[in-house]
Amino acid sequence: GAVVSQHPSWVICKSGTSVKIECRSLDFQATTMFWYRQFPKQSLMLMATSNEGSKATYEQGVEKDKFLINHASLTLSTLTVTSAHPEDSSFYICSARDRWSSYEQYFGPGTRLTVT
Amino acid sequence: GQNIDQPTEMTATEGAIVQINCTYQTSGFNGLFWYQQHAGEAPTFLSYNVLDGLEEKGRFSSFLSRSKGYSYLLLKELQMKDSASYLCAVRSFQKLVFGTGTRLLVSP
Repeated sequence: GAVVSQHPSWVICKSGTSVKIECRSLDFQATTMFWYRQFPKQSLMLMATSNEGSKATYEQGVEKDKFLINHASLTLSTLTVTSAHPEDSSFYICSARDRWSSYEQYFGPGTRLTVT
Repeated sequence: GQNIDQPTEMTATEGAIVQINCTYQTSGFNGLFWYQQHAGEAPTFLSYNVLDGLEEKGRFSSFLSRSKGYSYLLLKELQMKDSASYLCAVRSFQKLVFGTGTRLLVSP
């Protein structure tokens, strides 16, 4: 149980285009999902917290107009990188917290984004 | 502010024991997690400590001292497949704040 999927697993896009990444909790309901970014040989940095049915909360320094987050259902959150630039190339990982769990987060397999 | 420190890299030999330390200073504390992450993959959960003391789970043990802002992950009977990054993360006000991560290389 407690499986989180991400789609796509990798994507290459051209500079200036937008890319949407999906995060799904497959066998549980997630009222809260988190989006992280990880650059090579660095740790995970929280970008935003996504709550079902409400606006996402962004961490300091993360542009909300560039990284659009939608959490329309208890099993799906999406991250759209708008007007992507090469510096947005990174590993994006989502995690989801079971609505009945007090502490554990389950991580998705990640999405490798390369902007050319 | 939030500050979580771990050694950058460690090396050990197969069959040995290794201890990875983590020190933290965070504005809130609701527990400490250890994750294992292989290159290009998502982190996988190893352990969770919210009270002081040692939690043992097979070859892995994790220790927490809240008064010292200190934790360690102990890996016994090291195997080659244990070569990975180990991430210490503190749960602070419903969010996970990750440490810098420790790359562990296990050699034969």
